[in-house]
Amino acid sequence: DAGVTQSPTHLIKTRGQHVTLRCSPISGHKSVSWYQQVLGQGPQFIFQYYEKEERGRGNFPDRFSARQFPNYSSELNVNALLLGDSALYLCASSLDRGGRVDTQYFGPGTRLTVL
Amino acid sequence: QQQVKQSPQSLIVQKGGISIINCAYENTAFDYFPWYQQFPGKGPALLIAIRPDVSEKKEGRFTISFNKSAKQFSLHIMDSQPGDSATYFCAASWGGGADGLTFGKGTHLIIQP
Repeated sequence: DAGVTQSPTHLIKTRGQHVTLRCSPISGHKSVSWYQQVLGQGPQFIFQYYEKEERGRGNFPDRFSARQFPNYSSELNVNALLLGDSALYLCASSLDRGGRVDTQYFGPGTRLTVL
Repeated sequence: QQQVKQSPQSLIVQKGGISIINCAYENTAFDYFPWYQQFPGKGPALLIAIRPDVSEKKEGRFTISFNKSAKQFSLHIMDSQPGDSATYFCAASWGGGADGLTFGKGTHLIIQP
């Protein structure tokens, strides 16, 4: 079975631009979470979506937004890019077990560089 | 988000030795504690996880020890191998995970042949 897939693998943008990152969860998983991992740090939670609804949000500015589609894939959008947005963006999927989605499986990530 | 503090930041262990990484947490509502392994350029991979109703969980060479009263948990890698060289992250979540995982800052582990 395929794991979590993300696209693109790498992306270079300039300050002020907008970016869209994509994620496809493991087949059968209905929950998708997004994380930002700055070099040398642990991943930091951005959003969680379950059944196309936002279920949780981390401490990130409104420039960050996301959505989940009927096939459970997801997009993360970042507007007005800043140099500090340069990071590895990780998507994780979860199988809902009685309302619990804490067992999360990560994709390979999208490396975003903002110049 | 509540912090999860991880130590040491880096660790060098001889092949065949025991690697030990420690984490401490503040939020007593945390009820799920996974460990992840990450190789350069890759996403984190789930190694092993524990819930606070048990004090220890073992899977192959990997063991989690959990001390609820001290709010600490640790990862032990027995018979460490060069292929175990990677960055390890502890994490925690609560209430089913809707607020995501809170990660430690990571431990860079090097296993010397």
